[in-house]
Amino acid sequence: DTEVTQTPKHLVMGMTNKKSLKCEQHMGHRAMYWYKQKAKKPPELMFVYSYEKLSINESVPSRFSPECPNSSLLNLHLHALQPEDSALYLCASSRIGTIQETQYFGPGTRLLVL
Amino acid sequence: GDSVTQMEGPVTLSEEAFLTINCTYTATGYPSLFWYVQYPGEGLQLLLKATKADDKGSNKGFEATYRKETTSFHLEKGSVQVSDSAVYFCALTSNQFYFGTGTSLTVIP
Repeated sequence: DTEVTQTPKHLVMGMTNKKSLKCEQHMGHRAMYWYKQKAKKPPELMFVYSYEKLSINESVPSRFSPECPNSSLLNLHLHALQPEDSALYLCASSRIGTIQETQYFGPGTRLLVL
Repeated sequence: GDSVTQMEGPVTLSEEAFLTINCTYTATGYPSLFWYVQYPGEGLQLLLKATKADDKGSNKGFEATYRKETTSFHLEKGSVQVSDSAVYFCALTSNQFYFGTGTSLTVIP
């Protein structure tokens, strides 16, 4: 089973809202990732958690706040977003905590900021 | 720095045509190479991978061979179907995960 699940599938939020994206995997993977993907572009890495610790933050604005409560779960807390943050947010996981490993992606959350 | 270069799209083919999507890479060391596919409105799915030179990855009729001498990992399929319409991303890992820009494929009946 190589499934990564993400909720919600779609999210519409205003610029003053606070919302959270959730990601879950039960493959025993120890690295989890958040990516942002704009239309017709490749995914852009935002954060990497390795063994439940934040190991990479690609200079993401503080209005995005990741959290890894345990090895199976990854959250992305959103606050005071801008319309340009509208995108597909992808979660991924890999077996061990090195970025060289094969990454398995979830279906994504399509976010629209009004 | 490390990078991946994919052929520009979009690519439009008739059903049962032969597909090649070119991918070349620049990397220090010995990267692993991947092809991911993204169907409309969905996330990325791993299509195939190769971890060392001369390895051939294959899945669902798609193949790609890791060619160190030409630094390439071209994706091929002998007979495409309408259901293969998607965006295809070449990627490599070395010290980081690098994606190509993606190639959009449309297969018409």
